[in-house]
Amino acid sequence: QSALTQPPSASGSPGQSVTISCTGTSSDVGGYNYVSWYQQHPGKVPKLMIYEVIKRPSGVPDRFSGSKSGNTASLTVSGLQAEDEADYYCTSYAGSNYLVFGGGTKLTVL
Amino acid sequence: EVQLVESGGGLVQPGGSLRLSCAASGFTFSSYNMNWVRQAPGKGLEWVSYISSSSNTIYYADSVRGRFTISRDNAKNSLYLQMNSLRAEDTAVYYCARDKGLTLAAFDIWGQGTMVTVSS
Repeated sequence: QSALTQPPSASGSPGQSVTISCTGTSSDVGGYNYVSWYQQHPGKVPKLMIYEVIKRPSGVPDRFSGSKSGNTASLTVSGLQAEDEADYYCTSYAGSNYLVFGGGTKLTVL
Repeated sequence: EVQLVESGGGLVQPGGSLRLSCAASGFTFSSYNMNWVRQAPGKGLEWVSYISSSSNTIYYADSVRGRFTISRDNAKNSLYLQMNSLRAEDTAVYYCARDKGLTLAAFDIWGQGTMVTVSS
């Protein structure tokens, strides 16, 4: 059960777009369309932002979008806002290992 | 209000045991698969264990398999994590999280977490 690979940090200015990658293997990201993304502000509980690669739960702004190509999934935040500054984690269903998390990416809004 | 409330955390010596509980309310607990996820201080999230709605299917992360046991009591709307042979590296905030229905491996409801500290 190796963790999915995310960049430790990402940044962008207000109004810009930023993309965070999440790389796994054919046993997780590449093998299933069950990639999720979570946002976690400091001291807060994680919040589901994207599931099944591209779907947004009710209440999540459409500035957040997901995609996948091969073994790499991506989260794009468009029109960056100050409140988007947080840690972001990807996860993937992994069959009999059920689920694996990425190491997390700290998004800074400059 | 849909809610998950964890309890049972605390300070325990290496090699000791602890039982965490998660009380669910505001939804039909017996219809949802559930999970435990942990987060060591200053570190990322780590999935720990999964249990299906009827307890028929259970999964564990390699790091806890053989030491932790997940269970649930649908009559009491409660989820449990029995943790034995605890190690310093088990120190973390432990969250219970609900699997979002009609999909896999997406956690839509989280508890506020309970802190477990393993130290002598």
